[in-house]
Amino acid sequence: QSALTQPASVSGSPGQSITISCAGTSSDVGSYNLVSWYQQHPGEAPKLMIYEVNKRPSGVSNRFSGSKSGSTASLTISGLQAEDEADYYCSSYADSKTVLFGGGTTLTVL
Amino acid sequence: QLLLQESGPGLVKPSETLSLSCTVSGGSISTTGSHWGWIRQPPGKGLEWIGIIYYSGYTYYNPSLKSRITLSVDTSKNQFSLKLSSVTAADMGTYYCTRRPNTGGYGWYFDLWGRGTLVTVSS
Repeated sequence: QSALTQPASVSGSPGQSITISCAGTSSDVGSYNLVSWYQQHPGEAPKLMIYEVNKRPSGVSNRFSGSKSGSTASLTISGLQAEDEADYYCSSYADSKTVLFGGGTTLTVL
Repeated sequence: QLLLQESGPGLVKPSETLSLSCTVSGGSISTTGSHWGWIRQPPGKGLEWIGIIYYSGYTYYNPSLKSRITLSVDTSKNQFSLKLSSVTAADMGTYYCTRRPNTGGYGWYFDLWGRGTLVTVSS
């Protein structure tokens, strides 16, 4: 299976909203509501931000939301803050009990 | 609070076997119903799922790495381990141990991560 497709970078100003897309196929994102999103600051381990498309773990700000349409999932961050600047990775369960990741998107807060 | 900590050699020679362990503290590896696994990240690149194991030994592997991977669990030490054989420069990177929580078999996500350990492949 191929990796999921994310834009290499996105940017936004404080207070604005941004959306990061994650394109998959009918073998992964399109067939399962098992998309998750991870935030990674430089030098740190990834942190789970969204699971099962649109669920937030306890402690994650409600400024983070997830959605899916067809084979493309999206992560939206509203009310951008400087601390949101990080790399973001999507992930999906795929056929044959495997897990795929996207290539990652660098979010810059201007 | 459950914590994960990776350990193992930071330098492995080409063609040899990479061996890492992850110690789980703050809870038992065998009573949470979770799966335990590994995800790696080459320098400056994205994440790659390696595989997961249940405390009973049942495994799920990345098909692209399956022929070189062995995951195991040692419940007496509250540890799980990764062996990756015939390593090359492409296997260099940070290796994270992770937890797939007990979701009744549905969810496939990773809610706990170790801090990661950097592995270099060089002679």
